[in-house]
Amino acid sequence: EPEVTQTPSHQVTQMGQEVILRCVPISNHLYFYWYRQILGQKVEFLVSFYNNEISEKSEIFDDQFSVERPDGSNFTLKIRSTKLEDSAMYFCASSPDGGNQKLFFGSGTQLSVL
Amino acid sequence: GDSVTQMEGPVTLSEEAFLTINCTYTATGYPSLFWYVQYPGEGLQLLLKATKADDKGSNKGFEATYRKETTSFHLEKGSVQVSDSAVYFCALSDLGDNKLIFGAGTRLAVHP
Repeated sequence: EPEVTQTPSHQVTQMGQEVILRCVPISNHLYFYWYRQILGQKVEFLVSFYNNEISEKSEIFDDQFSVERPDGSNFTLKIRSTKLEDSAMYFCASSPDGGNQKLFFGSGTQLSVL
Repeated sequence: GDSVTQMEGPVTLSEEAFLTINCTYTATGYPSLFWYVQYPGEGLQLLLKATKADDKGSNKGFEATYRKETTSFHLEKGSVQVSDSAVYFCALSDLGDNKLIFGAGTRLAVHP
């Protein structure tokens, strides 16, 4: 069964450093998402992406965050200057048609900012 | 804004026990409701869903009924197995919106 793949599974970085979290969505999917979960809190929507542009973003997704689909297969989340409060599990998801009924999630990248 | 509240875990049960994980929601519109499950080391997977009042979603022995009058979508299973040990997330999505709003998740541990 096709799946969404995220790498790395765990990333440790120093405060102020840039990080790039990588995702390979399911190949025929057209809509891509990032969510995050701070330890003990709710899974939160960050951003949705379609047709090479952001279609929706949350208040969390400020200027420190950016997304890109650089090569037609990868979908990346970049945090330019990480803060301690960026420590969280980041989930990538993809969907064939943008409907919320068919969302496939990756297993997540645990980001630890020290 | 819209929100989802689910019971705190962990929930610890013996095999074959009855499971209920409570979920209530607040929404301005008429949302679709979901339960997602995350097994250890894996991504979130859709377990079941319901799109309108009184709909019952079911899968793998799990059930949840969309109760508009009580704004609830409680997850139930009559007889849990060790393999059901996972984190369960309740979520909603408003009509026409393609993002999900999740609860905090409830960890279930089932012992033999």
